[in-house]
Amino acid sequence: GAGVSQSPRYKVAKRGQDVALRCDPISGHVSLFWYQQALGQGPEFLTYFQNEAQLDKSGLPSDRFFAERPEGSVSTLKIQRTQQEDSAVYLCASSRMDLPSGANVLTFGAGSRLTVL
Amino acid sequence: GESVGLHLPTLSVQEGDNSIINCAYSNSASDYFIWYKQESGKGPQFIIDIRSNMDKRQGQRVTVLLNKTVKHLSLQIAATQPGDSAVYFCAVHAQWGAQKLVFGQGTRLTINP
Repeated sequence: GAGVSQSPRYKVAKRGQDVALRCDPISGHVSLFWYQQALGQGPEFLTYFQNEAQLDKSGLPSDRFFAERPEGSVSTLKIQRTQQEDSAVYLCASSRMDLPSGANVLTFGAGSRLTVL
Repeated sequence: GESVGLHLPTLSVQEGDNSIINCAYSNSASDYFIWYKQESGKGPQFIIDIRSNMDKRQGQRVTVLLNKTVKHLSLQIAATQPGDSAVYFCAVHAQWGAQKLVFGQGTRLTINP
């Protein structure tokens, strides 16, 4: 497709369950980002990939969060032993090249809304 | 690290009026600035960007102004329309060599008929 695709769009998990969120970036986009957006807040950086290499994971809040992009295309964000504070929208974004760059540099998906009960 | 703040969490304007949304950032070494629009249930959508070597950039009905002296960024929307109703975020490229964007908390723009 033409945009960044994320699945599932909605996920309800019981506390302690593991979840996996998928991101299909725009074809050919080198860079891929994951952001976490709490209700009423701006997105907060989690991690960044350039192709298959995870170059920055400084935003991952704990070792329960893990992201991968094994073939440099699709990425998965995994959260183990979910907690209520993990409830948020998880946004994936991709770009053709590194920042700073020209217009439309970062294209976001619609997000995966995670609710932990 | 970088922090980004907005002056007003909400802004209400009359349809047809101009809207101005403000943003402040903390890191004087920030080199790239972007405004995003986010509608309910959607991801942020790029509006316009500006690099630190510029102080003004215009798009279709939108203008971004950058004042590096006071570390202030603004988005001006001309002739605001109902479709402009959304939350607007400024985002700042934190530092040279780092790829992450730091977002503000957003301003919700409401258009009154």
